[in-house]
Amino acid sequence: DVKVTQSSRYLVKRTGEKVFLECVQDMDHENMFWYRQDPGLGLRLIYFSYDVKMKEKGDIPEGYSVSREKKERFSLILESASTNQTSMYLCASKTGGSEKLFFGSGTQLSVL
Amino acid sequence: ILNVEQSPQSLHVQEGDSTNFTCSFPSSNFYALHWYRWETAKSPEALFVMTLNGDEKKKGRISATLNTKEGYSYLYIKGSQPEDSATYLCAIFTGSNYKLTFGKGTLLTVNP
Repeated sequence: DVKVTQSSRYLVKRTGEKVFLECVQDMDHENMFWYRQDPGLGLRLIYFSYDVKMKEKGDIPEGYSVSREKKERFSLILESASTNQTSMYLCASKTGGSEKLFFGSGTQLSVL
Repeated sequence: ILNVEQSPQSLHVQEGDSTNFTCSFPSSNFYALHWYRWETAKSPEALFVMTLNGDEKKKGRISATLNTKEGYSYLYIKGSQPEDSATYLCAIFTGSNYKLTFGKGTLLTVNP
């Protein structure tokens, strides 16, 4: 069974902390994505990566950075967490072209 | 930013009812449309990937149609069951980059 695994289901952090959200996929997919889900706003793309060490900004990259040192792992970094980054974060991966996304189970991050 | 509209925002139906909802998108630069189902506390799962104008896809009681010339897709659920309760997401792939742009979703609640 294919899998996208996110390291934490729930996370509580304090304002100003550096936060790492980890995502691992076992499908040898080239493309990996980080989205956030907020009520009334839908899924919004933060960053994506189409190859190791390659990254592209999505629609809302401000306040975030990413790292992809290995093909299977894509990390989202909140350099200095703020309360407006409280959200559900979803990682996804896919092969090339228009193929479907495979999602992780999400990380609900609360920044206090 | 590509504008993907889904309607209605939410929907309540009785068990056994058939229902449908809409995804609208700009018809220019269209490459593919995805439908996902996102049940509470689970990962979003792909239902359909559609690329051709006039495409119709079916999976059990759920089916979808695509009109790329006028920029819309319908998702139909026949004989809704409580387990169909979920948020249904539509996403558009333009092919010009690697990313999918999502609508805000339709939240379906099926009452027993």
